[in-house]
Amino acid sequence: SQTIHQWPATLVQPVGSPLSLECTVEGTSNPNLYWYRQAAGRGLQLLFYSVGIGQISSEVPQNLSASRPQDRQFILSSKKLLLSDSGFYLCAWSVGISPLHFGNGTRLTVT
Amino acid sequence: AQTVTQSQPEMSVQEAETVTLSCTYDTSESDYYLFWYKQPPSRQMILVIRQEAYKQQNATENRFSVNFQKAAKSFSLKISDSQLGDAAMYFCAYRSRGGGGADGLTFGKGTHLIIQP
Repeated sequence: SQTIHQWPATLVQPVGSPLSLECTVEGTSNPNLYWYRQAAGRGLQLLFYSVGIGQISSEVPQNLSASRPQDRQFILSSKKLLLSDSGFYLCAWSVGISPLHFGNGTRLTVT
Repeated sequence: AQTVTQSQPEMSVQEAETVTLSCTYDTSESDYYLFWYKQPPSRQMILVIRQEAYKQQNATENRFSVNFQKAAKSFSLKISDSQLGDAAMYFCAYRSRGGGGADGLTFGKGTHLIIQP
């Protein structure tokens, strides 16, 4: 069966520090991969999606970037965090038009 | 671009009763998917139910059912015999069928469902 791992679960970082969140999927090949952000009390905003290695599409201009160095690995990064980057980050995968399956999320607090 | 609107920020229901959560969406496409996801306090996103736009029959999953009105672009979720474990944020989501759906889901802002014991 397919599983998705996302880490860390919680992260507290100072303003201006770098960020790296990682997500890996097991049990499937060539998945579509997604990064969503959920601000407090709000819905989910799609940040990035990827249909293959090295292929990244950005939905929202921002301080973040994403990379897909391997088929089932998706990384969310920032060189310098802003206070507004605080939120709950969710990685997800799907194959074709199947529903999205989400990881457990990372709660990021920028201080 | 598609938009999804959930007009009820919060709903409250007595345990064992029935509650309906509303969702409307805007799209120019004719073929798409609609979903309801549940997010309990653990914040794990859990798929509750899905509906394919080309199917007229409303989807059901145990105590959960939808009322899909394609012409009205409405997709409500009915929860029967509400249980304490149903307390969560509920998100309505839209997925385009075009492009293999690679660009993911568009979510509404969510409805916070409270179950009164």
